Amino acid sequence: GQNIDQPTEMTATEGAIVQINCTYQTSGFNGLFWYQQHAGEAPTFLSYNVLDGLEEKGRFSSFLSRSKGYSYLLLKELQMKDSASYLCAPFNQAGTALIFGKGTTLSVSS
Amino acid sequence: GAVVSQHPSWVICKSGTSVKIECRSLDFQATTMFWYRQFPKQSLMLMATSNEGSKATYEQGVEKDKFLINHASLTLSTLTVTSAHPEDSSFYICSARAWTGENIQYFGAGTRLSVL
Repeated sequence: GQNIDQPTEMTATEGAIVQINCTYQTSGFNGLFWYQQHAGEAPTFLSYNVLDGLEEKGRFSSFLSRSKGYSYLLLKELQMKDSASYLCAPFNQAGTALIFGKGTTLSVSS
Repeated sequence: GAVVSQHPSWVICKSGTSVKIECRSLDFQATTMFWYRQFPKQSLMLMATSNEGSKATYEQGVEKDKFLINHASLTLSTLTVTSAHPEDSSFYICSARAWTGENIQYFGAGTRLSVL
């Protein structure tokens, strides 16, 4: 089985930094994905962490602690277009589908 | 990243009709594709895993005779919603892994189905 816990909603202002936390419990672990989903659209890939530590990609960074079952997505220099849902998806077995929780809906205001 | 094309984007149909949704990997071969469904303000729910040349694997609670999946080639999987009813109205999304060994799933743009 799999259990994913993220805050349901977050708000922030343009230019700010926001951290979206994710805790998970899975049977087996092969990595963790973060996806972004704008309302009415399909998810787009943001990051993939396999090892502990921080992965940085421009304004977005993702951190993983395997021992703690914990990850976060860090968004810097927030823009209005960053308003979206952010989905944390732990991956337990190669070749299988990603299972998503409800995600975190981020609202960025000016 | 890899590109997954999904067609149609929108479809409106009468109750009782069947609707076919196509999912194509444009610049790679996908031995495995996945079909998801998402109701408003809900999470993406995996419906089935589609394997090229073999029968799809359906998740618990998904009727295989109602949601027919065909994966006849390495670049095309289709989902047919048979005898659609208003409760089937939803956002259907396909995804594919770009190649064996890579775990990243790339998603199509989704199909919004409205059954009248």
